[in-house]
Amino acid sequence: TQLLEQSPQFLSIQEGENLTVYCNSSSVFSSLQWYRQEPGEGPVLLVTVVTGGEVKKLKRLTFQFGDARKDSSLHITAAQPGDTGLYLCAGVPSGSRLTFGEGTQLTVNP
Amino acid sequence: DAGVTQSPTHLIKTRGQQVTLRCSPKSGHDTVSWYQQALGQGPQFIFQYYEEEERQRGNFPDRFSGHQFPNYSSELNVNALLLGDSALYLCASSLRPLGKTSTDTQYFGPGTRLTVL
Repeated sequence: TQLLEQSPQFLSIQEGENLTVYCNSSSVFSSLQWYRQEPGEGPVLLVTVVTGGEVKKLKRLTFQFGDARKDSSLHITAAQPGDTGLYLCAGVPSGSRLTFGEGTQLTVNP
Repeated sequence: DAGVTQSPTHLIKTRGQQVTLRCSPKSGHDTVSWYQQALGQGPQFIFQYYEEEERQRGNFPDRFSGHQFPNYSSELNVNALLLGDSALYLCASSLRPLGKTSTDTQYFGPGTRLTVL
């Protein structure tokens, strides 16, 4: 059983569309992180959310941490081809080590 | 300021062989973690090294071992390779062992693509 469930697994959209990626768990996390990974590269940290209910914005990307600190979402407005990549959520459950979800592969078509 | 570097970039081995992968952490970082990322999957934690000792370990067999040197660089060794060991092996460095502070940031290297035939 995956500790962090991401959905959808694959997403293919047209440039200009909006999208939301979800990261869910039955466990409480002290923080959750979102990464983007491009082919042939390691994951790059986008944001860390720490407080339940927290919302962070990074240009066209909006990240939200659930009130109970068990889930998070990533919303992209007006997606661009440069947003294409594998989006990963990751967190450290209490007393454990960094755990990744399986990722959402996003393709934005021009 | 160099980021995390890994070598080699690609590696092809046959079943039963042994492999050593290398990682140099970001300048100023003293903690190195290793991850295995199978195709289409998220990274899976292998182990973490701090002060030249293995501090945490994921669910990987003893065939996977590591080492950290006084200069904080690290090696990942895999013995008796299996076809299922084919994956991207990622190294990540941080200022301190993860879990100590909830906002710790890891910086990942580009990975080593291992193919076992």
